[in-house]
Amino acid sequence: DSGVTQTPKHLITATGQRVTLRCSPRSGDLSVYWYQQSLDQGLQFLIQYYNGEERAKGNILERFSAQQFPDLHSELNLSSLELGDSALYFCASSALAGGTTDTQYFGPGTRLTVL
Amino acid sequence: EDQVTQSPEALRLQEGESSSLNCSYTVSGLRGLFWYRQDPGKGPEFLFTLYSAGEEKEKERLKATLTKKESFLHITAPKPEDSATYLCAVQARNFGNEKLTFGTGTRLTIIP
Repeated sequence: DSGVTQTPKHLITATGQRVTLRCSPRSGDLSVYWYQQSLDQGLQFLIQYYNGEERAKGNILERFSAQQFPDLHSELNLSSLELGDSALYFCASSALAGGTTDTQYFGPGTRLTVL
Repeated sequence: EDQVTQSPEALRLQEGESSSLNCSYTVSGLRGLFWYRQDPGKGPEFLFTLYSAGEEKEKERLKATLTKKESFLHITAPKPEDSATYLCAVQARNFGNEKLTFGTGTRLTIIP
């Protein structure tokens, strides 16, 4: 158990809908990262937050957005869903941001299926 | 752009048969190279971080090494419970962005 929690575990929805994925980082970690894992592309970085502020963006679609709240939990919002958005979505957290290398610990993931 | 290539894509070994997994990388200044293990449908589990060429780390039957262009994950006398996908990732020396760039993994199967 990494200490990172994600809900829900599974999500099945229809095209055009909107969903929210939730992540709670390990106790004391200030950075939260979101990654998408699809069968053909492997793990892809989406976005990073540090202490409530957006810090870095990857190839995140405009239909996707995220935020980190004062209690440090984070939510990833996916809207106007398409079939191609079906994937595993992982949240990771780490203690520090910048300066030194620190380890990212991953949650169990949310499996999103868009029908 | 940072890139990570892992080989082979899949590897089947008999229990006790040692082998190595390869991770080749290009990065604009390496901050760290990471190895993770991932079981089907689960999140990646951290194994090692390597920071500079020549560094080695060991954990049970696994040993990770690093050169300036690649990393190897050596598995000695593997057991069936070592079956998983092993992921390699790099983090660039890029202040303000601590993202990991992952390879597509090596799917390891250990046959009893």
